[in-house]
Amino acid sequence: EAEVAQSPRYKITEKSQAVAFWCDPISGHATLYWYRQILGQGPELLVQFQDESVVDDSQLPKDRFSAERLKGVDSTLKIQPAELGDSAMYLCASSFQGFTGELFFGEGSRLTVL
Amino acid sequence: RKEVEQDPGPFNVPEGATVAFNCTYSNSASQSFFWYRQDCRKEPKLLMSVYSSGNEDGRFTAQLNRASQYISLLIRDSKLSDSATYLCVVNPPRQGGKLIFGQGTELSVKP
Repeated sequence: EAEVAQSPRYKITEKSQAVAFWCDPISGHATLYWYRQILGQGPELLVQFQDESVVDDSQLPKDRFSAERLKGVDSTLKIQPAELGDSAMYLCASSFQGFTGELFFGEGSRLTVL
Repeated sequence: RKEVEQDPGPFNVPEGATVAFNCTYSNSASQSFFWYRQDCRKEPKLLMSVYSSGNEDGRFTAQLNRASQYISLLIRDSKLSDSATYLCVVNPPRQGGKLIFGQGTELSVKP
């Protein structure tokens, strides 16, 4: 079982509805990432946090996606409104302070938009 | 052109075979390279880092060719348990801890 906790594991929603995912990283990990992985593709970075600050959100569709990490610990990723093309696995990862190249991923939240 | 490109496979090999995966990256200034492994319906996990001098971990050997901008992973004496998707990962220059993942190469080792 992954040490990075994510919920829900599965979410089915209808298009135009709002959906939220939660992530609790490994204790002490300052850097937190949200990735999206479409079936058959590699993970794509959506947003990267260093503590509570956004470091990179260049690939986050900001018209419908938002992410926060208010206290620099757990994080929430929200989609509103959801679209059919948002169906994917949303993976949260965390890493130690200082770059080592090792990200610790959660088991992911699989989203299906109908 | 994608930042990181891999042959998606699948590679179907018998147990005991040697198999090699290649990956190319577009940013010649990239400094750090990695291979991650992702089992079916599981999260990715770091398999090994790739150093300029090449590195080996048991049956796995990773190499970097900066001139050609490609990275390779060699698996010797394949085991059934090696069946997974292997993701090539690059850290672009001046982007902190950002990692760019390739689409992955699927390996299936058969008895």
